Amino acid sequence: NAGVTQTPKFRILKIGQSMTLQCAQDMNHNYMYWYRQDPGMGLKLIYYSVGAGITDKGEVPNGYNVSRSTTEDFPLRLELAAPSQTSVYFCASSQPVGQEGSYTFGSGTRLTVV
Amino acid sequence: QKEVEQNSGPLSVPEGAIASLNCTYSDRGSQSFFWYRQYSGKSPELIMSIYSNGDKEDGRFTAQLNKASQYVSLLIRDSQPSDSATYLCAVSAGYALNFGKGTSLLVTP
Repeated sequence: NAGVTQTPKFRILKIGQSMTLQCAQDMNHNYMYWYRQDPGMGLKLIYYSVGAGITDKGEVPNGYNVSRSTTEDFPLRLELAAPSQTSVYFCASSQPVGQEGSYTFGSGTRLTVV
Repeated sequence: QKEVEQNSGPLSVPEGAIASLNCTYSDRGSQSFFWYRQYSGKSPELIMSIYSNGDKEDGRFTAQLNKASQYVSLLIRDSQPSDSATYLCAVSAGYALNFGKGTSLLVTP
């Protein structure tokens, strides 16, 4: 099993460009998440999904969009990239948070906006 | 805003000693608590989960939970240099987890 797969691992964007960060899981988890991690700042929730067709905003959703057309995939779209979006992005999946509801993380995408 | 607070460190302990990491949280409704370890440049990996008041032991790791005082801690016995990493406390918040900023642990030989 691959677990949670994120692509790309690294990317440099110019201000104003757009891109999609891909995330796929093969564990049949209903819950999927996108977090960003800035140095010394911990993980901040961007968006999450509790199932196909259902998404909701987290703590820092501005400048991002998501979709969840299948259980397996949860892409994160950046429109009009800004330097403030320079960060490391982690996708995660889980069973419902609670008993046995720990996350499986992808390997991360390191994004630099210049 | 539901908060999860950790001392950022660095916490430095000699090899073989006990490392004690602490975390406080603000949401009294939280039911699930996790400790993740994150090496530099890597993704977080689960070390321990705890759901009930008291202690939970797994090898060299012991998680402690006190819901009345709203704190959770992680003890690492016989600390090894390979334990040097950032330790993230995570607390359930609705459908997701809230993470603390992490405590950097350095185990010196």
